[in-house]
Amino acid sequence: GNSVTQMEGPVTLSEEAFLTINCTYTATGYPSLFWYVQYPGEGLQLLLKATKADDKGSNKGFEATYRKETTSFHLEKGSVQVSDSAVYFCALRDRNSGNTPLVFGKGTRLSVIA
Amino acid sequence: EAQVTQNPRYLITVTGKKLTVTCSQNMNHEYMSWYRQDPGLGLRQIYYSMNVEVTDKGDVPEGYKVSRKEKRNFPLILESPSPNQTSLYFCASSLAPPNTEAFFGQGTRLTVV
Repeated sequence: GNSVTQMEGPVTLSEEAFLTINCTYTATGYPSLFWYVQYPGEGLQLLLKATKADDKGSNKGFEATYRKETTSFHLEKGSVQVSDSAVYFCALRDRNSGNTPLVFGKGTRLSVIA
Repeated sequence: EAQVTQNPRYLITVTGKKLTVTCSQNMNHEYMSWYRQDPGLGLRQIYYSMNVEVTDKGDVPEGYKVSRKEKRNFPLILESPSPNQTSLYFCASSLAPPNTEAFFGQGTRLTVV
């Protein structure tokens, strides 16, 4: 079956530090890949997505590249801010089944301190 | 404003007392689903609907029911809630998958005592 594995948290960084959150996936088909962010007390919001190999998704300074050869979709940001503190979820959606639910990783909590 | 609206945001109830969590979207999306979020487990799909009158089980459907009589609404029904259904619930909607993003509601925190 499909699954997503992302690095365990929590991750604590100082402001302006470089961020990497690792995400790898297993899929029977050819999935679309997503990063969602959940701010405290809120629902999930799409941060970025990539739908085919070598695509780079980017938004708000965050980037992730769809690497089919390593089945990875690592999230990066060059300089984090306190306002980036949130829980980040990597997810996939398989194209090859009738029900294409989002399959989520367990989430990585990021805390950025000033 | 495009949104998914869930109600209530918070609910404390007793074991066995039937409850309904409502979900409504204003984006004319075909696909809607319910997830529960539990610490250490991430989000897991409970039920989904690919269109009006078409619903099916997700990964953890036991103890839940849904209906899709109208395109915009997708209520989650707990006929006889139990403490193991204490969780944070999210409704989501999207255009037909797979490349489309899902829009999530604000969440419903349910406690069953």
